[in-house]
Amino acid sequence: RKEVEQDPGPFNVPEGATVAFNCTYSNSASQSFFWYRQDCRKEPKLLMSVYSSGNEDGRFTAQLNRASQYISLLIRDSKLSDSATYLCVVNSAGGTSYGKLTFGQGTILTVHP
Amino acid sequence: DTAVSQTPKYLVTQMGNDKSIKCEQNLGHDTMYWYKQDSKKFLKIMFSYNNKELIINETVPNRFSPKSPDKAHLNLHINSLELGDSAVYFCASSQWVGGAWTDTQYFGPGTRLTVL
Repeated sequence: RKEVEQDPGPFNVPEGATVAFNCTYSNSASQSFFWYRQDCRKEPKLLMSVYSSGNEDGRFTAQLNRASQYISLLIRDSKLSDSATYLCVVNSAGGTSYGKLTFGQGTILTVHP
Repeated sequence: DTAVSQTPKYLVTQMGNDKSIKCEQNLGHDTMYWYKQDSKKFLKIMFSYNNKELIINETVPNRFSPKSPDKAHLNLHINSLELGDSAVYFCASSQWVGGAWTDTQYFGPGTRLTVL
């Protein structure tokens, strides 16, 4: 079983749509969780951290369910510029303090006019 | 004012050659990483250095040797290149703050390596 699993998509949605991505992780000792965004032929960039209480940043909402080892990202009112690959990322270092990030394979989103 | 820079951006070489990729960060971070992103887009950590000391060394062939001359630089040398080494290699950095790691990692633009 992969440490971090995502539905690779692709998701093709019209502008204005709401789209949700899911992710599961296998290491129950994982301590921190993130969504990164990667544009085509570019480097990954942090989109947002994910907290147990859920967190929102504008049109983006992230949720974490530790019991189910499940992470989600909701994008409301999709824009053309949201087209990218969304990477679910888990700090799998467990009890150690090093920032060892494990990446999912990414979910491809294409927003069309 | 690039935060994390890598050179070269593209590298095309023959099997069996030895090549190096350089990485520099001007963020003042004390930890740097090398990742490999293969054709299936999986991004996997290879190495991590903290203050020039190796702290993460994943299962990577020993043909790959990282070198950190100072905490702002982490270079990757690859000996006897193989076809399977073709990938995009990303350098990243992060910082230890207030007794905890800030998990935010800043990535360089990547080096696209093609082995013929």
